[in-house]
Amino acid sequence: DAGVIQSPRHEVTEMGQEVTLRCKPISGHNSLFWYRQTMMRGLELLIYFNNNVPIDDSGMPEDRFSAKMPNASFSTLKIQPSEPRDSAVYFCASRVDYEQYFGPGTRLTVT
Amino acid sequence: AQSVTQLDSQVPVFEEAPVELRCNYSSSVSVYLFWYVQYPNQGLQLLLKYLSGSTLVKGINGFEAEFNKSQTSFHLRKPSVHISDTAEYFCAVIPGYSSASKIIFGSGTRLSIRP
Repeated sequence: DAGVIQSPRHEVTEMGQEVTLRCKPISGHNSLFWYRQTMMRGLELLIYFNNNVPIDDSGMPEDRFSAKMPNASFSTLKIQPSEPRDSAVYFCASRVDYEQYFGPGTRLTVT
Repeated sequence: AQSVTQLDSQVPVFEEAPVELRCNYSSSVSVYLFWYVQYPNQGLQLLLKYLSGSTLVKGINGFEAEFNKSQTSFHLRKPSVHISDTAEYFCAVIPGYSSASKIIFGSGTRLSIRP
């Protein structure tokens, strides 16, 4: 298996633009997580899904952030409009039972 | 509520020296315990886990950890570190034995190896 796949790996955008991050979980994994990591705030859980259903989105910073999981093999995290403070590395992770696997991350820079 | 405390934000050690990274947790229910490692510019990778059985668990790259229920600790150890072990290490728990629960991570310990 190729592991968790995230795209793009790097994204540079201007403030106010829409950003869409994509994630393909490992086949057969029934839980999917979106995290954000910064030097100041560390690793933060934004939202997670079980069997494609959002379970906990209490970590989503504000209404500018939204996430979807239309099927078991694909999820998106959208920021609209983006702001400089959204600059971070965004990780997707998928899990089956108690083993969680992280993707390589998307480094987002908002100027 | 559950929480994970990693007492040291940074641990510098010399190459080939032993190391211990400390982790304590707080939970009103039983937990499963994990250590993850994050190498520079990469995602987190599972190092080892404790679900049940022997309280001493062995992971990849020569690391091991011991679950101590009375002290609510799960410290990570390696008898001899290498430059390649330079990374950030995260302790984590899943409370309540539920595979649907979210993992609670500690704030991380940055291990730096000096030659």
